[in-house]
Amino acid sequence: AQSVTQLDSQVPVFEEAPVELRCNYSSSVSVYLFWYVQYPNQGLQLLLKYLSGSTLVKGINGFEAEFNKSQTSFHLRKPSVHISDTAEYFCAVSDRGQGAQKLVFGQGTRLTINP
Amino acid sequence: NAGVMQNPRHLVRRRGQEARLRCSPVKGHSHVYWYRQLPEEGLKFMVYLQKENIIDESGMPKERFSAEFPKEGPSILRIQQVVRGDSAAYFCASSPPAGYNTQYFGPGTRLTVL
Repeated sequence: AQSVTQLDSQVPVFEEAPVELRCNYSSSVSVYLFWYVQYPNQGLQLLLKYLSGSTLVKGINGFEAEFNKSQTSFHLRKPSVHISDTAEYFCAVSDRGQGAQKLVFGQGTRLTINP
Repeated sequence: NAGVMQNPRHLVRRRGQEARLRCSPVKGHSHVYWYRQLPEEGLKFMVYLQKENIIDESGMPKERFSAEFPKEGPSILRIQQVVRGDSAAYFCASSPPAGYNTQYFGPGTRLTVL
């Protein structure tokens, strides 16, 4: 069984400041890793994903994440946030098994950007 | 290029009624997933379907809930005899048939049970 822990339920930051949203996972098998963003009353949009290769993954809207296998972490970062980044962010994992697999999500981190 | 479509976007039911939620995947996608998001919680997997087959229903409640993805038409998540605890946002996602692929999410259906 897999589980995902997002260590912060809420993160307030000032505009143009850097931000890191933390994600740790637990799994007995190799996994794929994802970050999704959810704007109010909308569905989830994929920010970035780690499937294999370079452990530093770049996504949309200036976000990046680094896969750390030894620490079982996949923290999301952005060097300078904007008001428009205010949203809920979800980390997710799936089994590397053959074919499409269900996603296991963390509880989410609410990012609030203050002017 | 239409994404995943869900309807209705909002659904209000009284206790004991039936709720039917529809999901049209991205054109060409043959895998559909349903997730539920309870208030202040993350998304929880419910069921994974391919055309005419249920592949994994490990997250579905044992009673009152069913899902289908017919050869023609949208995927349907059906909740019979709804209770207040069924109030949640229900999201559908789809992915293409080959290899491992990203899941693309619809806007969700927000179910309110009075």
